[in-house]
Amino acid sequence: QKEVEQDPGPLSVPEGAIVSLNCTYSNSAFQYFMWYRQYSRKGPELLMYTYSSGNKEDGRFTAQVDKSSKYISLFIRDSQPSDSATYLCAMTEPVYNTDKLIFGTGTRLQVFP
Amino acid sequence: NAGVTQTPKFQVLKTGQSMTLQCAQDMNHEYMSWYRQDPGMGLRLIHYSVGAGITDQGEVPNGYNVSRSTTEDFPLRLLSAAPSQTSVYFCASSSRQGMTQYFGPGTRLLVL
Repeated sequence: QKEVEQDPGPLSVPEGAIVSLNCTYSNSAFQYFMWYRQYSRKGPELLMYTYSSGNKEDGRFTAQVDKSSKYISLFIRDSQPSDSATYLCAMTEPVYNTDKLIFGTGTRLQVFP
Repeated sequence: NAGVTQTPKFQVLKTGQSMTLQCAQDMNHEYMSWYRQDPGMGLRLIHYSVGAGITDQGEVPNGYNVSRSTTEDFPLRLLSAAPSQTSVYFCASSSRQGMTQYFGPGTRLLVL
């Protein structure tokens, strides 16, 4: 079983829809939780970053963490065609004096006009 | 401020050939990493460095070699290319390992 599970999609939604992207994890030692966005043939870029359980909002994006259920989500409101990309969740685990970053496999999202 | 740069963008190798993938960053970050991305596998860590002169293995280090002589540069060497190393390679840097990682544009490698 992978430490981080993410539905690969693809997820196809109409413009304006609310999108929910999810990851589950098994390691209770994970401390920081991130969402990266990756456009086709580009490197990933950090979208959201959070530490504690609860919600964090940034414009149309909301990151949600539930440490008790080992579940994180990214919500996109009023989705736009420009949101079409692959979304990767990532989590950090403290290892000795550094942090190990574990990525999910990514969910491909397509928003059509 | 160019961020993280990688060269080449695309490379075709024959089995057994060696090559070096270049990575440079101008953000004065201590931590640099190399990942490979394969369909259905996500990003997997190959090697990482916590500072000049210090490197360590990641999840999939076999067949790759790294060195870090300066803060700015972190090249990845393929010693004897194999078809299983066909992948997209990303270099990343951060001010602290595991925290906000800045990724380069990637190098697409095809090994025949």
